[in-house]
Amino acid sequence: GIQVEQSPPDLILQEGANSTLRCNFSDSVNNLQWFHQNPWGQLINLFYIPSGTKQNGRLSATTVATERYSLLYISSSQTTDSGVYFCAVRENFVFGPGTRLSVLP
Amino acid sequence: DSGVTQTPKHLITATGQRVTLRCSPRSGDLSVYWYQQSLDQGLQFLIQYYNGEERAKGNILERFSAQQFPDLHSELNLSSLELGDSALYFCASSVNWWGANTGELFFGEGSRLTVL
Repeated sequence: GIQVEQSPPDLILQEGANSTLRCNFSDSVNNLQWFHQNPWGQLINLFYIPSGTKQNGRLSATTVATERYSLLYISSSQTTDSGVYFCAVRENFVFGPGTRLSVLP
Repeated sequence: DSGVTQTPKHLITATGQRVTLRCSPRSGDLSVYWYQQSLDQGLQFLIQYYNGEERAKGNILERFSAQQFPDLHSELNLSSLELGDSALYFCASSVNWWGANTGELFFGEGSRLTVL
């Protein structure tokens, strides 16, 4: 089945810093989503982005399907951005292992 | 609020027991998915239903079973529980089933199961 990798596995930032999270997948995909799991365990939809670029406030995402990767950009990070960020490709219902982000005040 | 409702939110039980987790999908969504997330682990796909029929099966144990009812709500049954079954169980829904144009996946808040 399809393999999904995310990098970095862990990231510690000072409040106000910018970051880029990466999701690589081993085969072509029709569906790709980014989720944020907050410290209380809730899974929050960030982007449904099988291709192209989307922006929502301080967050943006780009998927280059032909090169099999997606990027999530977080600008001016806030402590509320802490948690785990997952990408998921849904052909095989596969989630990546996640990037654990800690934003320090 | 994603629109996906899961009950109960928390459940504590003993080894060997059986529990049922319930999920109501978003209005209009026909697909329901179940995932398991053990402590500090990723999300493992268990099973998917579309309009009452099983569509895909992941790493679901034989002790576990699920179904989707005519009103589209779904139940996940976990039996002969073991300590290792302690986890957060998520339900998710989408408009369509897997493949092209499935639409976004929306998650419920999860059911936290503790087996003592």
